[in-house]
Amino acid sequence: NAGVTQTPKFRILKIGQSMTLQCAQDMNHNYMYWYRQDPGMGLKLIYYSVGAGITDKGEVPNGYNVSRSTTEDFPLRLELAAPSQTSVYFCASSREGRSGNTIYFGEGSWLTVV
Amino acid sequence: GDSVTQMEGPVTLSEEAFLTINCTYTATGYPSLFWYVQYPGEGLQLLLKATKADDKGSNKGFEATYRKETTSFHLEKGSVQVSDSAVYFCALPNRDDKIIFGKGTRLHILP
Repeated sequence: NAGVTQTPKFRILKIGQSMTLQCAQDMNHNYMYWYRQDPGMGLKLIYYSVGAGITDKGEVPNGYNVSRSTTEDFPLRLELAAPSQTSVYFCASSREGRSGNTIYFGEGSWLTVV
Repeated sequence: GDSVTQMEGPVTLSEEAFLTINCTYTATGYPSLFWYVQYPGEGLQLLLKATKADDKGSNKGFEATYRKETTSFHLEKGSVQVSDSAVYFCALPNRDDKIIFGKGTRLHILP
């Protein structure tokens, strides 16, 4: 069972470069999320989506963009990478956002901006 | 707004010790409550959940009871193992259906 798959697992970027973190889920979930986790800290929501064609900002959206053209895929785009974007990024999905629904996480993407 | 507060870590215990990690919440209504666990180098995974007041969630020897009166969802385990070393997150969905996570509590178990 694949669940939530993220690529790449590790990446080093230079300041000002751009890249896309890929995320795919095979559970036919409507809701998808991108979180970042800074060292020793909790999770902060970057963007989320409640279905194909619908996206919305979370707590820390600046410097990122997302799209949701299909139910399965939810890529996160970093434009003009900055050292402050060095973090671990987690993609997640759930059937719905309502109470009682479990969120399933990918294994994470470790990004370093130098 | 809705929020989750966890005890600060790290928590260091010897193997077979009793574990409690405190979690209190502020929320509108009575949302489901979750504990997630993050093992080193991995993503978060659901440990247990409770969907209504007085429910007890349990898994892998861990338990947590949804206490409406004290707005708490403390995680407990009677005898911890080295393999329980991880970061534990308390969480709940807010009124906008986004999951709010606590800051996490790092647990170290010494053999």
